[in-house]
Amino acid sequence: QSALTQPASVSGSPGQSITISCTGTSRDIGTYKVVSWYQHHPGKAPKLMIYEVSKRPSGVSDRFYGSKSGNTASLTISGLQTEDEADYYCSSYATGSTLVFGGGTRLTLL
Amino acid sequence: EVQLVESGGDLVKPGGSLRLSCAASGFTFSSYSMTWVRQAPGKGLEWVSSIRSSSGHIYYADSVKGRFTVSRDNAKNSLNLKMDSLGADDTAVYYCATSLREFFLFPVSLDYWGLGTLVTVSS
Repeated sequence: QSALTQPASVSGSPGQSITISCTGTSRDIGTYKVVSWYQHHPGKAPKLMIYEVSKRPSGVSDRFYGSKSGNTASLTISGLQTEDEADYYCSSYATGSTLVFGGGTRLTLL
Repeated sequence: EVQLVESGGDLVKPGGSLRLSCAASGFTFSSYSMTWVRQAPGKGLEWVSSIRSSSGHIYYADSVKGRFTVSRDNAKNSLNLKMDSLGADDTAVYYCATSLREFFLFPVSLDYWGLGTLVTVSS
């Protein structure tokens, strides 16, 4: 049950766009279209931002966009806002009925 | 409004046991799968265990298999996690979450989360 690989940190200025990558293997992202992304402000409950690679739950801004190519999923946030500063985690179903998470990416607004 | 409130976190000695609970409200608890996820200090999220709506399917991470037992009481809208043989590596904030979607009978996309409860394993 190896963790998915995310960059430890990314940064961007308000109004800009950033992309966070999430790399897995053929046992998870490469085979299954059930990648999710979560936003986590420390001390608060994590929030689901993207499910099934690119779908947004009701109430999530369309500034958040998910995609997948091969073993790598990506989360793009456009028009960065101060409230976007948070930790972001990807997850995927993995062969053998497990759920694997990425190590998390800290998004910092410059 | 969906609410998930974890409780039971505490300081426990290595080798000890602890029981966590998660009280659910604002949705039809008996219809949805539930999941425990933990976050060690300064670390990322780690899936711990999931249980389907009728307890017919239960899943564990390798790191807790044989030591942790998940259960649910649909009559009381409650999710539980019994943790035995605790070690320092189990120190973490434990979150419960609910899933609105499943994939091959496995809950994916954790739609709502609680605030978590802190478990500290130390002598």
